[in-house]
Amino acid sequence: DTGVSQNPRHKITKRGQNVTFRCDPISEHNRLYWYRQTLGQGPEFLTYFQNEAQLEKSRLLSDRFSAERPKGSFSTLEIQRTEQGDSAMYLCASSNGQGGQPQHFGDGTRLSIL
Amino acid sequence: QKEVEQNSGPLSVPEGAIASLNCTYSDRGSQSFFWYRQYSGKSPELIMFIYSNGDKEDGRFTAQLNKASQYVSLLIRDSQPSDSATYLCAVNMNRDDKIIFGKGTRLHILP
Repeated sequence: DTGVSQNPRHKITKRGQNVTFRCDPISEHNRLYWYRQTLGQGPEFLTYFQNEAQLEKSRLLSDRFSAERPKGSFSTLEIQRTEQGDSAMYLCASSNGQGGQPQHFGDGTRLSIL
Repeated sequence: QKEVEQNSGPLSVPEGAIASLNCTYSDRGSQSFFWYRQYSGKSPELIMFIYSNGDKEDGRFTAQLNKASQYVSLLIRDSQPSDSATYLCAVNMNRDDKIIFGKGTRLHILP
């Protein structure tokens, strides 16, 4: 069990650029979640997958955000045309089985928009 | 609106004392409850989860759940300076849904 792995750890980019983050979940976990966290707030749900199926996407998430988990293993989160307000920590978590099971987080990707 | 409420703190507790962290939630149908610890600049770390009414103990940590009153609490016995962190309460509203996090309570253990 090597834990949830996220890359890169930090990303600095100019406003308007596209960015992509990767998450490798714990190997036997079938559920994968993406969250966003800003200073002083708890993690905010973005989307989640069960195997390769994207089961839910937050209504707060704009069309500039897209996530994939093509083979039911790793996942990518892409943000197109980044804006200042996208600056945050992007967290990935995974869990096993059905909903309601404990989720284990990766170290996160900190995004800074210049 | 499904919500999880926590006092943001900071909660200051002397070293060696019991720290008590509280959380209330709005959805009476909530099924699973989690406590995460988050150090500054780090990601959340799961420390406890509880599904049934009552107490669940793990080392110095005890989670308490009261579904009738819709609150869940975390007790930390023999508090240590290394317990200083933000504690996030998270609630799963039903078994097929995501979990909702509170904003967290900052805990400061005074040496």
